[in-house]
Amino acid sequence: SAVISQKPSRDICQRGTSLTIQCQVDSQVTMMFWYRQQPGQSLTLIATANQGSEATYESGFVIDKFPISRPNLTFSTLTVSNMSPEDSSIYLCSVGGQLNTEAFFGQGTRLTVV
Amino acid sequence: QKEVEQNSGPLSVPEGAIASLNCTYSDRVSQSFFWYRQYSGKSPELIMSIYSNGDKEDGRFTAQLNKASQYVSLLIRDSQPSDSATYLCAVNAGGTSYGKLTFGQGTILTVHP
Repeated sequence: SAVISQKPSRDICQRGTSLTIQCQVDSQVTMMFWYRQQPGQSLTLIATANQGSEATYESGFVIDKFPISRPNLTFSTLTVSNMSPEDSSIYLCSVGGQLNTEAFFGQGTRLTVV
Repeated sequence: QKEVEQNSGPLSVPEGAIASLNCTYSDRVSQSFFWYRQYSGKSPELIMSIYSNGDKEDGRFTAQLNKASQYVSLLIRDSQPSDSATYLCAVNAGGTSYGKLTFGQGTILTVHP
């Protein structure tokens, strides 16, 4: 499986500010995915990041709040904008595997908004 | 109705016992099914994948899939305290590929000595 590096691993941010999370993969991948895991909850897909096109967002997530960049086949960023305490979650980057159906995850970014 | 639903937990089993984790899904076109293990404070780790009806065994883990019943399960034999974690069932969303998954809410498993 690909090696996925995500940073920062954790951050504490003031409400109203923005945080950009980076995801670097050690091989070229077609699609990258961003998930959110709220405290005590399961994973929810935020968006699919395609290289060379706009990200595709899931219901309940909008580009103004979670802008995503995908400048090349090994890198993506997710920005959490105008943060509130409700945005306190773990944000996870993932990529597909060899069979393109399974998903492998980075170590996640634990965000706390105060 | 939740798209992927797991049996309510938490589940507690003694060391050496069989732990049984269950999952149902609503989208009939789903083709790929996965079990992830997530330790506290860590990201999910893929432990089993299954694509066709029947059983798939890997060491102490057995995944079972019944597409007619829209049911997938994970059995952990000879459970060890190190198996204590949250287990997440995931389904390939809408039959599409490329790692886009829908997750169940997770089942917390505790294996006590």
